[in-house]
Amino acid sequence: GNSVTQMEGPVTLSEEAFLTINCTYTATGYPSLFWYVQYPGEGLQLLLKATKADDKGSNKGFEATYRKETTSFHLEKGSVQVSDSAVYFCALRMDSSYKLIFGSGTRLLVRP
Amino acid sequence: DAEITQSPRHKITETGRQVTLACHQTWNHNNMFWYRQDLGHGLRLIHYSYGVHDTNKGEVSDGYSVSRSNTEDLPLTLESAASSQTSVYFCASSEVGVSEAFFGQGTRLTVV
Repeated sequence: GNSVTQMEGPVTLSEEAFLTINCTYTATGYPSLFWYVQYPGEGLQLLLKATKADDKGSNKGFEATYRKETTSFHLEKGSVQVSDSAVYFCALRMDSSYKLIFGSGTRLLVRP
Repeated sequence: DAEITQSPRHKITETGRQVTLACHQTWNHNNMFWYRQDLGHGLRLIHYSYGVHDTNKGEVSDGYSVSRSNTEDLPLTLESAASSQTSVYFCASSEVGVSEAFFGQGTRLTVV
């Protein structure tokens, strides 16, 4: 079946460090890919998305590129801030459905 | 502003009791979803609906039911609460043809 695998957390970084959170997927077909962010005590918010191979999603300094050849959608940010501390979820959605399939989430802690 | 609200935000109930969690959205979205969030599992789909009177089972639907009598609401009922249903529950909605889903702030349910 379709699934998403994320790197285990927590990821702890110092402010201004470079961030990578790995995400790979398994899907029969070509899904749309998403990164959602969950700040403490809140629901999930869409961070960025990509709907086809080689698309790059970007928002708030975060980027992710849809790589069909490696079935990956890694999240990157050049310089993290304390306010980026949150849980990040990678997710996919098949064209035939509106259901989202989530990875297990990666907690990011950024220290001043 | 349009929004999606869940109530209650926190609930403690006893094993065997029936519990209903409310979800209300004001976007007039056709698609609505219930997920549960557990450590190490990310978000897993419980039930979903693509319109009034339409309901479908997700991957972890046992012990849960939903009904969709109007566009705005998708209440989630636990027929006989079990300790394994202690979790954080998220409701989400999305529109046909649009890939982004919007999430409520969650309901933390504890079954004792």
